[in-house]
Amino acid sequence: GAGVSQSPSNKVTEKGKDVELRCDPISGHTALYWYRQSLGQGLEFLIYFQGNSAPDKSGLPSDRFSAERTGGSVSTLTIQRTQQEDSAVYLCASSFKAGYTGELFFGEGSRLTVL
Amino acid sequence: GQSLEQPSEVTAVEGAIVQINCTYQTSGFYGLSWYQQHDGGAPTFLSYNALDGLEETGRFSSFLSRSDSYGYLLLQELQMKDSASYFCAYGSNYQLIWGAGTKLIIKP
Repeated sequence: GAGVSQSPSNKVTEKGKDVELRCDPISGHTALYWYRQSLGQGLEFLIYFQGNSAPDKSGLPSDRFSAERTGGSVSTLTIQRTQQEDSAVYLCASSFKAGYTGELFFGEGSRLTVL
Repeated sequence: GQSLEQPSEVTAVEGAIVQINCTYQTSGFYGLSWYQQHDGGAPTFLSYNALDGLEETGRFSSFLSRSDSYGYLLLQELQMKDSASYFCAYGSNYQLIWGAGTKLIIKP
């Protein structure tokens, strides 16, 4: 696609439920990133993919969080047994190649609200 | 540790020039980036400094001094549409480490 696409744009869920957030990066971009942004804060790194591999998962806040990427394209971030502190905007970004940390292309984000 | 410091808020007048400073502390550094984010929107890339000096892109310029662990974003001829949050972020291996952002308020 022309840009990074994320879905859903908004998700309201009850505490304890599982949620899946989807990211479709720009075609041809091998690197994909997930970030989390709380209101008025900077971006918190969650996980990075190079192709289908995730060399660094250290940013995932707990074992309730997992992510996968298939076909070197679409990625899914899954949060199990959601908690209220998981409420945030989850941003996905892609870049043409790994290691280039200058420009990332971001999606509009998925706003998660856990009641 | 790794951290970036930038002012939380800056106010300026339409048509003026404003500078947003950013200092960082890190053991590994691969350049300083600046992003703009309007309320409710996605961050968009503004500039990237891998080496010391000034990079100019239209009304926006960015400066880096690696010896001082310092950079700034300069916005000239401010327009109301420039009202947004501005983030500095440094490259550390394959990821960007982000500051908390500076909210730029522009008054007519």
